[in-house]
Amino acid sequence: DAGVIQSPRHEVTEMGQEVTLRCKPISGHDYLFWYRQTMMRGLELLIYFNNNVPIDDSGMPEDRFSAKMPNASFSTLKIQPSEPRDSAVYFCASSQTGRDQPQHFGDGTRLSIL
Amino acid sequence: GNSVTQMEGPVTLSEEAFLTINCTYTATGYPSLFWYVQYPGEGLQLLLKATKADDKGSNKGFEATYRKETTSFHLEKGSVQVSDSAVYFCALSNTNAGKSTFGDGTTLTVKP
Repeated sequence: DAGVIQSPRHEVTEMGQEVTLRCKPISGHDYLFWYRQTMMRGLELLIYFNNNVPIDDSGMPEDRFSAKMPNASFSTLKIQPSEPRDSAVYFCASSQTGRDQPQHFGDGTRLSIL
Repeated sequence: GNSVTQMEGPVTLSEEAFLTINCTYTATGYPSLFWYVQYPGEGLQLLLKATKADDKGSNKGFEATYRKETTSFHLEKGSVQVSDSAVYFCALSNTNAGKSTFGDGTTLTVKP
């Protein structure tokens, strides 16, 4: 089975540029999550979707961040404009419904904002 | 609210040593409990899980028992290998909404 697929794996860009991270969840999973991981703050949940609808975006740090899920097989996380403090590893994960269902993570996008 | 507390790391062991990483939780209802492992440069992956009290999850020589009376889910392995070096996350889920609460992670380094 194909796992969660994220692209790009690495992104280096200059401050002020728009950044778009992409995620393809596992087919048949109804939940999709976006996380950010840094040494200072650890793993943070940014937003999650159920059946393509955003459920909780309280973890989105500010209005520069936005996420969409136009269909069941694709989601994007966009940062505009980007700032150096956005540098982190961003993970996408998906899961099926049920409290006993684990989350399946992609390998992440390592983002560096210069 | 829900919370997960893991023993602070980093933990450094010699190969073949016994491993324990402590995890305690606070949650309403009857959560499912998980251990995830993150190898360098990769995402988190499920190591094992337990869905009700006294269940034991096991995988790759790792074990953890769901202890409701002590609200704990400690991870153990009898003999660690260098390849077990990774970050370990304890997590819980007590809704059908798929959302989990994660601990801060414990970094394990195993030396030959």
